[in-house]
Amino acid sequence: DAGVIQSPRHEVTEMGQEVTLRCKPISGHDYLFWYRQTMMRGLELLIYFNNNVPIDDSGMPEDRFSAKMPNASFSTLKIQPSEPRDSAVYFCASSPRDSPDGDTQYFGPGTRLTVL
Amino acid sequence: GQNIDQPTEMTATEGAIVQINCTYQTSGFNGLFWYQQHAGEAPTFLSYNVLDGLEEKGRFSSFLSRSKGYSYLLLKELQMKDSASYLCAVRVPSGGYQKVTFGTGTKLQVIP
Repeated sequence: DAGVIQSPRHEVTEMGQEVTLRCKPISGHDYLFWYRQTMMRGLELLIYFNNNVPIDDSGMPEDRFSAKMPNASFSTLKIQPSEPRDSAVYFCASSPRDSPDGDTQYFGPGTRLTVL
Repeated sequence: GQNIDQPTEMTATEGAIVQINCTYQTSGFNGLFWYQQHAGEAPTFLSYNVLDGLEEKGRFSSFLSRSKGYSYLLLKELQMKDSASYLCAVRVPSGGYQKVTFGTGTKLQVIP
């Protein structure tokens, strides 16, 4: 299996621009997670989906952030408009419905976002 | 809310043993994970504890005490490649599902 795939790997944009991050989870996994990681706040859960349905979006910082999962093999995280404080590494992760290790999450390589 | 505490940084010598502690205060508990994250890379799964006691996997072991809200990750025979951040994460029930909250991680530096 190719693992979780994220694109782009790096994104540099200017304040006010729209940013779209993409994720392809591992085939057969029922859960998909979006995280943001910064030095100050560590790894923060933004939103997660179960079978393409958003379950908990309480971590989404504000209305500028939105996430969709139109099918089992694709999800997007959109920031509109972007701000410098959104600069971080954004990880997508997926996990199977049942695993002997408590729904272990498999992380993608991340997207490093820089907003100037 | 959920609160997970880990030391920010640790340094240890190649070949030695190091113990990374994690304490947590959470509303509910359904298991504790340890993940390893090398600089510039994604976190990768190391261990999962749901019952009290020690789980051993090669050079790595993880311990859990649910009554004390405490876990540690023990790394033996340290190698230079073990230099990484180690993230403690707690799984709690949330609205019929399970939610995992991560600590801010412990950055371990292994020196010769």
